[in-house]
Amino acid sequence: NAGVTQTPKFQVLKTGQSMTLQCAQDMNHEYMSWYRQDPGMGLRLIHYSVGAGITDQGEVPNGYNVSRSTTEDFPLRLLSAAPSQTSVYFCASSYTGAGGAFFGQGTRLTVV
Amino acid sequence: DQQVKQNSPSLSVQEGRISILNCDYTNSMFDYFLWYKKYPAEGPTFLISISSIKDKNEDGRFTVFLNKSAKHLSLHIVPSQPGDSAVYFCAADSSNTGKLIFGQGTTLQVKP
Repeated sequence: NAGVTQTPKFQVLKTGQSMTLQCAQDMNHEYMSWYRQDPGMGLRLIHYSVGAGITDQGEVPNGYNVSRSTTEDFPLRLLSAAPSQTSVYFCASSYTGAGGAFFGQGTRLTVV
Repeated sequence: DQQVKQNSPSLSVQEGRISILNCDYTNSMFDYFLWYKKYPAEGPTFLISISSIKDKNEDGRFTVFLNKSAKHLSLHIVPSQPGDSAVYFCAADSSNTGKLIFGQGTTLQVKP
């Protein structure tokens, strides 16, 4: 049972480049979400989804896009990377909104 | 505007003693609270949760207390073990939306 799988684990981007962070879960969870973790800031919610075809913004959505075409996958897209997006990104999934969410291992992104 | 706050960045306790981690919130709409533990280079793992209709929830060595009038919750770990050394995050949700709002985290060090 793989749980929540994030790829890549590490990435360096140049300012202005675009990329997609992948997230997949094999637990048939309806709820999925993306967070970023910055020093002293805890985890902040970027976007989340309560099911296939349904997404909504979190606390810090600017500069990020998401889509949810299947229950399993929830990719996060950076259209034009900025140094302020340097962070560690976590994807999570859960059965219910307030249930104990399962997190992926994280993607450490550096934008230079 | 930090809706969930963990005012103690760090806590150090002796093995076998009690660890008490605190969390305050400002949004009265929060009705579900969770604690996560995070080791370096790993994703957060769910520890314990509590609904706003309860004031205490216990799971083995971990107990969470909720004081709704004070908008305060705490996590008690008894007895503390060196393997408990990690960063602890509290999080809150309202109406099962899945939009978890996290505190900044508290780094717990348990000394042998």
